[in-house]
Amino acid sequence: AQSVAQPEDQVNVAEGNPLTVKCTYSVSGNPYLFWYVQYPNRGLQFLLKYITGDNLVKGSYGFEAEFNKSQTSFHLKKPSALVSDSALYFCAVRGLNNDMRFGAGTRLTVKP
Amino acid sequence: NAGVTQTPKFRVLKTGQSMTLLCAQDMNHEYMYWYRQDPGMGLRLIHYSVGEGTTAKGEVPDGYNVSRLKKQNFLLGLESAAPSQTSVYFCASSWDVEQYFGPGTRLTVT
Repeated sequence: AQSVAQPEDQVNVAEGNPLTVKCTYSVSGNPYLFWYVQYPNRGLQFLLKYITGDNLVKGSYGFEAEFNKSQTSFHLKKPSALVSDSALYFCAVRGLNNDMRFGAGTRLTVKP
Repeated sequence: NAGVTQTPKFRVLKTGQSMTLLCAQDMNHEYMYWYRQDPGMGLRLIHYSVGEGTTAKGEVPDGYNVSRLKKQNFLLGLESAAPSQTSVYFCASSWDVEQYFGPGTRLTVT
């Protein structure tokens, strides 16, 4: 079955430092992978996706993600964190019914 | 272009009461989904639809029913609410790969 795992419940970084939010996947076939962000009391907003092509995917708000097939990972990264990046981040993989299978989420806190 | 909208935004029910959540999308998407979000568990799929008149069970369908009588609407029903159904419910729609989410409905069952 298609699944993703986010090994960290919480990530704390200082403003201006690089950030990484980790995600690993388990799929049959080629993975379609996604990152979404959720701000308090809001729905999920799409950040980026990997379907095929370059392993480094660029998305919204300066975020990027690196697809690593050998490590079955799809980590979210940003070179310089902002306080406004503080939110809940979800990794997801497309399921067999075209639905999304989400990780449990990682809360990112960026401190000034 | 409103995208995906959900009605209502908040609701409090007593155990045993029923209610219907409405999801509407104006993007002409074929696929629609209902998820629930619980702390520490991410989003889990309740039911989904691959087109008008079709519905199918997702990961956690028990206690819920759905209907897709019109392409733009996807209704989620709770016939007899239970405290375990206290959650935030999200609707999503898609044409192909990327899903677009509504703002959510916060439901509390006492």
